[in-house]
Amino acid sequence: AQSVTQLGSHVSVSEGALVLLRCNYSSSVPPYLFWYVQYPNQGLQLLLKYTSAATLVKGINGFEAEFKKSETSFHLTKPSAHMSDAAEYFCAVSEGTGGFKTIFGAGTRLFVKA
Amino acid sequence: GAVVSQHPSWVICKSGTSVKIECRSLDFQATTMFWYRQFPKQSLMLMATSNEGSKATYEQGVEKDKFLINHASLTLSTLTVTSAHPEDSSFYICSASGWVPTDTQYFGPGTRLTVL
Repeated sequence: AQSVTQLGSHVSVSEGALVLLRCNYSSSVPPYLFWYVQYPNQGLQLLLKYTSAATLVKGINGFEAEFKKSETSFHLTKPSAHMSDAAEYFCAVSEGTGGFKTIFGAGTRLFVKA
Repeated sequence: GAVVSQHPSWVICKSGTSVKIECRSLDFQATTMFWYRQFPKQSLMLMATSNEGSKATYEQGVEKDKFLINHASLTLSTLTVTSAHPEDSSFYICSASGWVPTDTQYFGPGTRLTVL
């Protein structure tokens, strides 16, 4: 069985500061890992995904994440927060891409202060 | 890029009525579609997985007779909430995947269902 734990339901940073959203996973098979962003009353937008290639994955909007197998982690970072980054972020795990079932974490709400 | 649409985006209905939500892949063929439910300030819970032309596979605890899923074509899946009750009020999101343009899931914008 697969599961995802996101540490911190809320994270608050100042504009221009580092963004760090934490995600730990559990999987009995080599995982595929994803980060999604959701704005209010909207669907999900894929930020980035890890599919067993490079462990440091770069995504859209300046976000990146590093897969660390020894720590079973896939934390999301951005060097400098922007007001438009304020949203809900979900980490997710799957056994594959596309047609494979995806399990989502509880989500982390990111607040960006001016 | 691949686009998934949902219709309606918002629906209000009376308790006891049925509501149909459509999920369409606009520019690609979706061999697999997923339906999720999201309660306010919570994560997405997978309800069912459907492959075109096959019966949907429901997750444990999801009533298949209450949440009817049809995936009759490669571009359309429907979710029908039968005899809706206030506890069915939620945000329903679909996603679709196919081999083209890339092997990934694309999410629809969601449908807000409010049952009075």
